[in-house]
Amino acid sequence: SQTIHQWPATLVQPVGSPLSLECTVEGTSNPNLYWYRQAAGRGLQLLFYSVGIGQISSEVPQNLSASRPQDRQFILSSKKLLLSDSGFYLCAWRRYLGAGMNTEAFFGQGTRLTVV
Amino acid sequence: DAKTTQPTSMDCAEGRAANLPCNHSTISGNEYVYWYRQIHSQGPQYIIHGLKNNETNEMASLIITEDRKSSTLILPHATLRDTAVYYCIVRVAGRGSTLGRLYFGRGTQLTVWP
Repeated sequence: SQTIHQWPATLVQPVGSPLSLECTVEGTSNPNLYWYRQAAGRGLQLLFYSVGIGQISSEVPQNLSASRPQDRQFILSSKKLLLSDSGFYLCAWRRYLGAGMNTEAFFGQGTRLTVV
Repeated sequence: DAKTTQPTSMDCAEGRAANLPCNHSTISGNEYVYWYRQIHSQGPQYIIHGLKNNETNEMASLIITEDRKSSTLILPHATLRDTAVYYCIVRVAGRGSTLGRLYFGRGTQLTVWP
């Protein structure tokens, strides 16, 4: 069966420090991968989207970057955190079955980041 | 950007059916309707999806109007554990850089009361 791992669960970082959140998926290959952020009381905002190794699409201009060094590994990074980067970060994957085929997305348990 | 409109909040008595509406008046012919829910401080959980026919699974039923401009998620016998934010999403099938994205709005906070 497929599983998604996201860590750490919680993180408190000072302003200006770097960030690295990691997400890995097991039990599948060539998944679509996503990073979302949820600010307090808000919906989920899509940050990055990847269809393959080294292929990253950015949804909004921001202080963050993403990388996909391996097929089932998705990393969210920042060189210098801002207060506004605080939020709940979620990684998700979706199986790609072919053009026009629809599948659901599966989410990790999230990382709650507090920038102080 | 989210292409759906949902009420901010709804209440439901335990054991009764919860009917959650969603408007997606600009939906295109190749866009599916997806429902997810998010229990506080957890990742969203997939519930159900459909294109134009009504769908049912072990969690819920999805009723899509004939013009596809709105849909209703039905939890037939709501329990306290169904208290969550419910998201209605429309998305295009596909994989490329402009397709396959999942855009979430603010969803509906469903509170099930004992």
